[in-house]
Amino acid sequence: ETVMTQSPVTLSVSPGDGATLSCRASQSVSSNLAWYQQKPGQAPRLLVYGASTRATGIPARFSGSGSGTEFTLTISSLQSEDFAVYYCQQYNNWPPLTFGGGTKVEIK
Amino acid sequence: EVRLLESGGGLVQPGGSLRLSCAGSGFTFSSYSMTWVRQAPGKGLEWVSIIGTDGGTFYADSVKGRFTISRDNSKNTVSLQMSSLRAEDTALYYCAKKKMGNNPFDDWGLGTLVTVSS
Repeated sequence: ETVMTQSPVTLSVSPGDGATLSCRASQSVSSNLAWYQQKPGQAPRLLVYGASTRATGIPARFSGSGSGTEFTLTISSLQSEDFAVYYCQQYNNWPPLTFGGGTKVEIK
Repeated sequence: EVRLLESGGGLVQPGGSLRLSCAGSGFTFSSYSMTWVRQAPGKGLEWVSIIGTDGGTFYADSVKGRFTISRDNSKNTVSLQMSSLRAEDTALYYCAKKKMGNNPFDDWGLGTLVTVSS
């Protein structure tokens, strides 16, 4: 099973600042890595797939990078609606499909 | 507009059974793999099961042998039959549509809550 590890667990950021979230895979997942955003009481929303391709309707301030085992989601100039929990997920080595434990981006 | 609507959740005793359903609309249901993902209260996301367009199925080890996923393309529904339920199966169960190709899940329902407790 490919274990996905996200860091940090919690990230405190001021509105307007940037944020960098990390995701590490226990073995290579090539570029088959997705990022999701989840707000309280809502379903997850796909942000990025293929490690760096933004999903439909996702603002350009969200960008993904990386390949193999190290991945990053960068949010430039955080807006109020960006404070949420972010999950990475690999879909290269499955089953099982595996998610990271999540990073909570909170207001500083 | 893609819509996924889960139903069937509720309170069930340990060892009991429950059947979840997910109705899809706004897309050609038969052309997409469908999956179930769960989230225990206050916890992260856990993949449960997936069914392909050809009916092929896969399961997480934690539910293998206890859960069965199926689909009815004539009714645009995917179901999850859950048996021998345990307290650790308590979660919000999401239905999601897999983006075409080797891709992740691009549309999600709002979830249905399953509580396993005596």
